[in-house]
Amino acid sequence: NAGVTQTPKFQVLKTGQSMTLQCAQDMNHEYMSWYRQDPGMGLRLIHYSVGAGITDQGEVPNGYNVSRSTTEDFPLRLLSAAPSQTSVYFCASSTGQPSDEKLFFGSGTQLSVL
Amino acid sequence: DAKTTQPPSMDCAEGRAANLPCNHSTISGNEYVYWYRQIHSQGPQYIIHGLKNNETNEMASLIITEDRKSSTLILPHATLRDTAVYYCIVRGYHGSGNTGKLIFGQGTTLQVKP
Repeated sequence: NAGVTQTPKFQVLKTGQSMTLQCAQDMNHEYMSWYRQDPGMGLRLIHYSVGAGITDQGEVPNGYNVSRSTTEDFPLRLLSAAPSQTSVYFCASSTGQPSDEKLFFGSGTQLSVL
Repeated sequence: DAKTTQPPSMDCAEGRAANLPCNHSTISGNEYVYWYRQIHSQGPQYIIHGLKNNETNEMASLIITEDRKSSTLILPHATLRDTAVYYCIVRGYHGSGNTGKLIFGQGTTLQVKP
């Protein structure tokens, strides 16, 4: 199993550009989520999904869109990038079973918006 | 979900036990205590979780006080590779569904010194 795979690992955007961060998992996990981590800070939840076709907002959803058309994939879209979105982005998945919040994280995408 | 309080930083000598405290005085009866760690810009890694009984696995032990208002993560023989940020998270099981929203705080930076 590859686990949780994020692409790309690094990305530089200009203000106003759009892009999609990809996240895929091969563990048949129902639950997937996106976090961002700014320098010296903890992780903040952006969006999450409890299954295909179901998404919801986390702590900092503004400026980001998500969709979940399959169990495996959970892409994060930046429609118009802003310098404030410069951060490291982590995708995570879990079984979503009661009392089991064992999240598996990807290796992250480092995004810089100029 | 209950809020947690952790010291911002701790030091530990290599080979000694590292005891990381977490206060969660507002925890309710159905909320679990989870511990994750993040090693230098990698994705966070699950360590252990528990409800009210002490738990042990190959990585660590979790001691939860009888009133459940605080807990301690114990790394029995800390190594330099255990240097990381450690996050204590309280998470409830919400009825028949599990929304799986893990909220990370600032964590404790553990520095293991030779």
